[in-house]
Formats: sequence, C-alpha cells, structure tokens
Amino acid sequence: GAVVSQHPSRVICKSGTSVKIECRSLDFQATTMFWYRQFPKQSLMLMATSNEGSKATYEQGVEKDKFLINHASLTLSTLTVTSAHPEDSSFYICSARDHQRPGNIEKLFFGSGTQLSVL
Amino acid sequence: QKEVEQDPGPLSVPEGAIVSLNCTYSNSAFQYFMWYRQYSRKGPELLMYTYSSGNKEDGRFTAQVDKSSKYISLFIRDSQPSDSATYLCAMSTTSGTYKYIFGTGTRLKVLA
Repeated sequence: GAVVSQHPSRVICKSGTSVKIECRSLDFQATTMFWYRQFPKQSLMLMATSNEGSKATYEQGVEKDKFLINHASLTLSTLTVTSAHPEDSSFYICSARDHQRPGNIEKLFFGSGTQLSVL
Repeated sequence: QKEVEQDPGPLSVPEGAIVSLNCTYSNSAFQYFMWYRQYSRKGPELLMYTYSSGNKEDGRFTAQVDKSSKYISLFIRDSQPSDSATYLCAMSTTSGTYKYIFGTGTRLKVLA
C-alpha cells in the first residue's frame, strides 16, 4: 500500500482561532488529495478535493472561506479551519490516490485523522 | 434513497464465527469496490479492493461483488477480537474524478 501521514492527531483550540492540519504522502506523489469530515458513528463526508497547483473543489454546502485548502506540492496538502467554532469540532481525515503504481491507481489511502475540539 | 446503503449494526459475534458484512448500491456505474476497516479515532485502512464483479480472497477475508444485484459483501472467517472495528464499504465509478462514495459503516464486535 501507500502511506499517508496526517498531523496533528489531536488539537484543542479556543473559539475564534485558526487550525492547520497537514496531510503528506510519504512514499508516492499525490496530484489529488481528499479531505473528509466524520461525526461520531457516521460515515465519511467528503468536504473537498485538493488538486496540486490549482484551486480545490468544494462539495456543496462546504464553505471554502471557512475551510482553506492548499496543495502546494505533490506530497503535501493542508486544511486550515479558520475562526474555528465549537460546531467545527469533528474528526477530519485526509486521503490520497497513488496514481503511479500499477494496482494502486483506483485505491484510496487515508491518513490517521485529526480530532479537532473547539472550546 | 442513498447511493450506498449499509447496516450500521452493531453486530456482535463470538470469537471464531464467520462474519458477513454487506452493502447495496443504486448507481450501476460503480466499477471499483473497496472495504475499509476503521478503529476508533483512526483513519480507515484499506482491506480489500475489487474491480467489477467476482470474488477476491486474502487470508481470512473474502470480498464478493454481484453487480447484477448491486450488492457487495465482505466475509471474515475465524473472527478474532482484534477484528472489532467499523467496516466501511466504498465504491467509485470509472470517471476521471474517481469520486468515492462510502457506506455509513457497520460496527463489529467480536467477543472473546
């Protein structure tokens, strides 16, 4: 498989602050990364698709000014939750496709997730 | 109707049992089918990947896809307490965006 690293694993912040979450592909280059949000006992909700060198594509209902995505290199995408509020508390997970290695092209590999708690 | 339906469980089985997990879907364009295992507060881990119809076996895990019925299954043989987790099915089309649609996940508990 391919390895995706996500950092930090847990963050607690005060309301109104901004939080940055990093997602790195460690052993492959990822032109596309995906950001998901997951509430307890619910499935993954796709927030946006991050494309290297271009603007992210956001899903309907996701505020692009609230959730800033930057994909500046082939191995790093960041999600910044701006002016975080308690309702933004959730589990955020990134994922990436390894489109270079045969057998991996259609598979989706996930980071370990970030638990965000906004006080 | 959701594109992918999955019973959320929880499903409790004794150690050593055969577990059957299932998903149904409505979009006939789905071609790639995956099963992920997710432990609490961790990212999903890819378990099985299948293209189109048929069976695929890997150790204690078997994935089945029946495209005519729009039904996929994951079987776990000789289940262990360490298999206790949430199992998510996922599928995607052959389009360039490779948009993945996930089921809600089934929580499995294997009792020692």
